Amino acid sequence: AQSVTQLDSQVPVFEEAPVELRCNYSSSVSVYLFWYVQYPNQGLQLLLKYLSGSTLVKGINGFEAEFNKSQTSFHLRKPSVHISDTAEYFCAVSRSQEKLTFGTGTRLTIIP
Amino acid sequence: DTAVSQTPKYLVTQMGNDKSIKCEQNLGHDTMYWYKQDSKKFLKIMFSYNNKELIINETVPNRFSPKSPDKAHLNLHINSLELGDSAVYFCASSPSYSAETQYFGPGTRLLVL
Repeated sequence: AQSVTQLDSQVPVFEEAPVELRCNYSSSVSVYLFWYVQYPNQGLQLLLKYLSGSTLVKGINGFEAEFNKSQTSFHLRKPSVHISDTAEYFCAVSRSQEKLTFGTGTRLTIIP
Repeated sequence: DTAVSQTPKYLVTQMGNDKSIKCEQNLGHDTMYWYKQDSKKFLKIMFSYNNKELIINETVPNRFSPKSPDKAHLNLHINSLELGDSAVYFCASSPSYSAETQYFGPGTRLLVL
């Protein structure tokens, strides 16, 4: 079975500063990796996903993530954050035809 | 043109009551899911249906009974509600059971008093 670890439960960042949200996974087989964002009082929205191919994945709202197989990581990055990026970010992993397993989430707070 | 919708958005009820949450998707997807998000924001899958057939049934009390009248709908009925059932319940759908991307509804916030 696979699992996902998001070590940082909260990350405060100044507006226009860069941010990295960490995600590590464990699995004995190849997996698909995802980042979802949950804005306050809303459902989850897909930011980006890694299925195969290039290890650098670009998503919506200027976010990108890099798949690192040797470190079993899929960290999310943005070079310059905005107030509107304040949200909860969830890393998730799945294998084909299997359920999504989510991490515990990282709350990103942007400081004006 | 909401893709995945849920009703109600908020639900406040007493312990012991029976309640239902409805989910509809207009994306033409074959697979639908129910997730529970607890007070610590932890998301866990409860059920998955593919073409109206139950595929995933995680360790969920049998007070929870999903029903899929057709591919576009997956409702969740909860009997004898308990305080611990208070959570946000999310419905999701995907094009097929093997599809990678799931599309989530806005959530139903259930509070059991």
